[in-house]
Amino acid sequence: QQQVKQSPQSLIVQKGGISIINCAYENTAFDYFPWYQQFPGKGPALLIAIRPDVSEKKEGRFTISFNKSAKQFSLHIMDSQPGDSATYFCAASGNQFYFGTGTSLTVIP
Amino acid sequence: DARVTQTPRHKVTEMGQEVTMRCQPILGHNTVFWYRQTMMQGLELLAYFRNRAPLDDSGMPKDRFSAEMPDATLATLKIQPSEPRDSAVYFCASGSLDETQYFGPGTRLLVL
Repeated sequence: QQQVKQSPQSLIVQKGGISIINCAYENTAFDYFPWYQQFPGKGPALLIAIRPDVSEKKEGRFTISFNKSAKQFSLHIMDSQPGDSATYFCAASGNQFYFGTGTSLTVIP
Repeated sequence: DARVTQTPRHKVTEMGQEVTMRCQPILGHNTVFWYRQTMMQGLELLAYFRNRAPLDDSGMPKDRFSAEMPDATLATLKIQPSEPRDSAVYFCASGSLDETQYFGPGTRLLVL
């Protein structure tokens, strides 16, 4: 049973556009929701994270929107750049830690 | 520049051989994680330790996999005997369940 469902599997966006990746979870005990970015041949790196007591967190061009009642959260990348091309993983944590299946983002110049 | 280190970076072995992967967590981090990444299964948490004690290894096949942390600077993941289905990238991370995890560069394992 997949604890964190992520979509889409892949995404192609024009430079300057907005990239949106969505995740949904079931376990209401989760209390930490990070997003990780992974470049080919590298380990994942934390991009931004949110806790369920806030509905939105913004860091630069990256924003997490969190909907506790719907058990959904999403990553928005504003003004997407070719350097943002990577795989993005959402995750959820409580007593365990679960990654989503990943979204391969390609930003076209 | 503190970072997680992993050795070896690449390993090719034959089915049935023992494989040992090593990880040096960031000094001061008391929680160490082992993950496996494959195209089919994505990123899976295999096990994690806090203060060197195993807290959860429910994601790890018990019959052939073992994870230990003999001291605060070294975590090991061992596969014995290895099988082709174990081919994957194995990541070590240190940090916290509910804070940032810092990932190492991974060990790319190929079992023939």
